[in-house]
Amino acid sequence: GAVVSQHPSWVICKSGTSVKIECRSLDFQATTMFWYRQFPKQSLMLMATSNEGSKATYEQGVEKDKFLINHASLTLSTLTVTSAHPEDSSFYICSARVRDRIQETQYFGPGTRLLVL
Amino acid sequence: QKEVEQDPGPLSVPEGAIVSLNCTYSNSAFQYFMWYRQYSRKGPELLMYTYSSGNKEDGRFTAQVDKSSKYISLFIRDSQPSDSATYLCAMSVDTGNQFYFGTGTSLTVIP
Repeated sequence: GAVVSQHPSWVICKSGTSVKIECRSLDFQATTMFWYRQFPKQSLMLMATSNEGSKATYEQGVEKDKFLINHASLTLSTLTVTSAHPEDSSFYICSARVRDRIQETQYFGPGTRLLVL
Repeated sequence: QKEVEQDPGPLSVPEGAIVSLNCTYSNSAFQYFMWYRQYSRKGPELLMYTYSSGNKEDGRFTAQVDKSSKYISLFIRDSQPSDSATYLCAMSVDTGNQFYFGTGTSLTVIP
C-alpha cells in the first residue's frame, strides 16, 4: 500500500509557541491530503482538507488562522499550530487520498503526538 | 444522530475466537465502506475496502455490507494476539467525498 510519513512523531512545546507538522506521501503523489485530530478513546475528527496549490477547506469549528495548512507540492502538506495552548494537545494524523482504477481510499500517516505545556 | 455508529467496546476474546465487529449508519447514500486497524499511538491502517453491498474476504478477514439494513461487519477468524487494536469503520458517499468514521472498537485477543 501507499506510504505516508509524518514528522515529528511527537513534540512537546511551551504554551504560545508554534509547531509545524509535516505530512509526506513517500511513493506516490497526493493531490489531496486530510488533517485529523484524535483525542484519547475517540475517533478521528476531520479538521481540514488540503488540496495541492489551493487553499485548504476547513471543517466547521476549526480555526483556520490557528491551524495553518500549506500543501505546496504533490508530496508534502504541512499543518502549523500557531500559538499553541494546552487544549491543543492531541494526536494529529494526516492522510492522503489515493485513487486507482479499483478504489479510492485514504492512507494514513503514523500520527504526531503534541503536548503543550 | 451520528452518521456512523460503532460500539466502542472494549471487546475481549480468547485467541482463536471468531470476532465480529459492526457499524450502523444513517445515510443511505454511502457506497464506499472501509475498515481500518489502529494500534495504540499509531495511525490507522487500511484493512478492507468494499464498494456497495456484498462480502469481501482477505485472509482471516471478511467484510460484509448490508445496505438494506445500513449495517456493515468485519469478521476476524482465528484471532491472534497481534489483532489486538482499535478497529475503525469508515464510509463515504462517492469518490472524492468526505469519509465518515465510527468511534472505533477496542479489541483485545487474549493468548
